[in-house]
Amino acid sequence: GESVGLHLPTLSVQEGDNSIINCAYSNSASDYFIWYKQESGKGPQFIIDIRSNMDKRQGQRVTVLLNKTVKHLSLQIAATQPGDSAVYFCAENDGDENSGSRLTFGEGTQLTVNP
Amino acid sequence: GAVVSQHPSRVICKSGTSVKIECRSLDFQATTMFWYRQFPKQSLMLMATSNEGSKATYEQGVEKDKFLINHASLTLSTLTVASAHPEDSSFYICSARDRAENEKLFFGSGTQLSVL
Repeated sequence: GESVGLHLPTLSVQEGDNSIINCAYSNSASDYFIWYKQESGKGPQFIIDIRSNMDKRQGQRVTVLLNKTVKHLSLQIAATQPGDSAVYFCAENDGDENSGSRLTFGEGTQLTVNP
Repeated sequence: GAVVSQHPSRVICKSGTSVKIECRSLDFQATTMFWYRQFPKQSLMLMATSNEGSKATYEQGVEKDKFLINHASLTLSTLTVASAHPEDSSFYICSARDRAENEKLFFGSGTQLSVL
């Protein structure tokens, strides 16, 4: 459905702290999830992905956790840096090849890292 | 990773003119490309799915005669905003799926359209 609203959820952290960004998804048939980072005036940048047969995946300084029972996804960023300041979106893929496996994006969270 | 080039990055035009936005996959073949629209402080909203050599599939509420999509080759999709009006002002983003990297989507850098 449409994303409605004029205010992004925000998270403000101190440099060096760990950040946790949360996302709730709606489609229980979704089988693939991705986190994107979007800086102002730019397109989304891939961070990390996870399939529904996993509940945790780690990358460089980032970890994604998936809880299918409550349809919840989280992104953990370790030792957050000022360069991590951006809007973070989760996206779900409904796995329907007939639809081209299109992504549905969450509302996004504005992360601000204070030096 | 794969690179998607989107051009132009910014367009300012008068009401009533048409604007074409190009999306190119530079180092991979993209059988499917997607066009999104994003308003300030909002999420990306899928407009249409573009398949090479066939007609685009539009999301509900998106006017196909207003937003013309052409995907004539495996590396190029274009979005034309016909007779643009101020309410069409938005950030338009394309993405392309690289089959070689499972289902990952790679995004262009976006086009900021401002219609006066």
